[in-house]
Amino acid sequence: KQEVTQIPAALSVPEGENLVLNCSFTDSAIYNLQWFRQDPGKGLTSLLLIQSSQREQTSGRLNASLDKSSGRSTLYIAASQPGDSATYLCAAPIYNQGGKLIFGQGTELSVKP
Amino acid sequence: DTAVSQTPKYLVTQMGNDKSIKCEQNLGHDTMYWYKQDSKKFLKIMFSYNNKELIINETVPNRFSPKSPDKAHLNLHINSLELGDSAVYFCASSQLSGQETQYFGPGTRLLVL
Repeated sequence: KQEVTQIPAALSVPEGENLVLNCSFTDSAIYNLQWFRQDPGKGLTSLLLIQSSQREQTSGRLNASLDKSSGRSTLYIAASQPGDSATYLCAAPIYNQGGKLIFGQGTELSVKP
Repeated sequence: DTAVSQTPKYLVTQMGNDKSIKCEQNLGHDTMYWYKQDSKKFLKIMFSYNNKELIINETVPNRFSPKSPDKAHLNLHINSLELGDSAVYFCASSQLSGQETQYFGPGTRLLVL
């Protein structure tokens, strides 16, 4: 049974800091690993998707890595800004289960001006 | 243009009532999903449809019945609402179940009194 865990549950940093969010998963039979952002009272916005054959993906100040052998993914945010404040969720769909995404419980990030 | 839309955005109702939530996607995707986000913000899949066929049916009370009239729509009907059904319900869609990014709707906030 796939379990996805995110550490830390909450993080508060001053503006400008580089930071790393962690995601671990127990079953490496995944299609990919997806990172989402959720603003309070809003839906989820897809940030990055790393295919199982890839090691990392980059989009602007965001860089996500994937290490299937150790069951880990990290989301690196460079030069954080107050607008980055949100909850970040990682999720993994399992092979042959129709796209069923297993979510972690999220990291709530607060970037202070 | 909204990619994945849900109606209504808010739903307040009494215990025992029957209600429906509608979802539409204009992305041309072949797979649609319903997720439930509980009070602790944990997201869990409920159902998934691929080309109008049910492919995932998690352990959900049979008071919940999804219906997909066509590829672009997936509605959720809930009978005999209970207090514990209060949550945010998200619709999502993707191409190639599990292998591509899932796009989420804005959510429907259901409160059962």
